[in-house]
Amino acid sequence: AQSVTQPDIHITVSEGASLELRCNYSYGATPYLFWYVQSPGQGLQLLLKYFSGDTLVQGIKGFEAEFKRSQSSFNLRKPSVHWSDAAEYFCAVAPYNNNDMRFGAGTRLTVKP
Amino acid sequence: DTAVSQTPKYLVTQMGNDKSIKCEQNLGHDTMYWYKQDSKKFLKIMFSYNNKELIINETVPNRFSPKSPDKAHLNLHINSLELGDSAVYFCASSQDPTGGVGNTQYFGPGTRLTVL
Repeated sequence: AQSVTQPDIHITVSEGASLELRCNYSYGATPYLFWYVQSPGQGLQLLLKYFSGDTLVQGIKGFEAEFKRSQSSFNLRKPSVHWSDAAEYFCAVAPYNNNDMRFGAGTRLTVKP
Repeated sequence: DTAVSQTPKYLVTQMGNDKSIKCEQNLGHDTMYWYKQDSKKFLKIMFSYNNKELIINETVPNRFSPKSPDKAHLNLHINSLELGDSAVYFCASSQDPTGGVGNTQYFGPGTRLTVL
């Protein structure tokens, strides 16, 4: 069955610390991969996406993600978290030939001063 | 200019009423979607429209009906609202999905629906 898993429901980090949010997927073939961020009371903003090529993808706001085929993972990272990064983060996948996008359950990030 | 817009942002209504949520995109995209985000933040696709044709219809109640007057608009009409319909509804759009970049979906700000 096709699925997207974000194992961490809630993560708390200190401002300035590094961050890694996990995402694992189960698909018949390598899908397209996305990370979205949802700030409180806001819509979803695309952070970055992976279609092919370099497995380390750079996104907006200083985020990056690495696709690891062997682990079926697409983890999101940021070297130094800012208080404004506190939000809900969603990993999403879509097959290569249609728009049936599936979202993970989300990871809520809290940033401590 | 807002790429994907939704109105209203908040909607509070009584059970049994009929309501509509409007969505417009100015990106020239071919496909538009409606998602429901429940209280646990889980996002689930409800519908998508490509060139006025419904191409995905998840198992949602038939009280929900998408209406697309043109390629730039996909409105969501809900009949006989129930308490369980309370959620945040997101509209999104994308290009032709058969190309790689077409799979990128851009989301509206959401409409928080509260049914009393």
